[in-house]
Amino acid sequence: DTAVSQTPKYLVTQMGNDKSIKCEQNLGHDTMYWYKQDSKKFLKIMFSYNNKELIINETVPNRFSPKSPDKAHLNLHINSLELGDSAVYFCASSQSYVGTRDPRGVMNTEAFFGQGTRLTVV
Amino acid sequence: QQQVKQSPQSLIVQKGGISIINCAYENTAFDYFPWYQQFPGKGPALLIAIRPDVSEKKEGRFTISFNKSAKQFSLHIMDSQPGDSATYFCAATPYTGTASKLTFGTGTRLQVTL
Repeated sequence: DTAVSQTPKYLVTQMGNDKSIKCEQNLGHDTMYWYKQDSKKFLKIMFSYNNKELIINETVPNRFSPKSPDKAHLNLHINSLELGDSAVYFCASSQSYVGTRDPRGVMNTEAFFGQGTRLTVV
Repeated sequence: QQQVKQSPQSLIVQKGGISIINCAYENTAFDYFPWYQQFPGKGPALLIAIRPDVSEKKEGRFTISFNKSAKQFSLHIMDSQPGDSATYFCAATPYTGTASKLTFGTGTRLQVTL
């Protein structure tokens, strides 16, 4: 079973359209993330979501909106798509925020990534 | 502002050689330093990680060296194999007890030749 799954894997759409990418994790994790990987492979955090607390990277345009119907899902909705939005979008999850400790003092050490959604805006 | 600087951008190593990738950071609040490995068409996967209380961590052929005073850390891949060909990302995150996030380096594309 895939731990973190994203759909679709590929998405080609025209400028100005609205699209959504779905993410689901079956690891029982509390924290989920969206990352954007540009053509130069640079990975940049877009959002972190933990127990209804949403942390938004302030450089992300407000055309991007994450939606979490429950702890296992974090979807990404994009309005008015632009050419510059073309990239690979990765969903990830972790037990809690990576680098923090759980109530037992055990460090949360790993973020698990999905396979990515390659978005092409034409 | 790029908080984690990674070099080189690309690296070609012969099979059996040593691959070395370097990273430097600025934020002294960073407390955890993982390395991720990404194969084409796949998401990044945790390879090895280190905390500042040790200067070196080894797992198989992979070793992280950490220099806290210089704010630098590096990944060494001993006896590099063609199967190691991938993009490697260093990352860092602070331990704040609240929301934190992984800040990634710019990636190093490693190619191991026969």
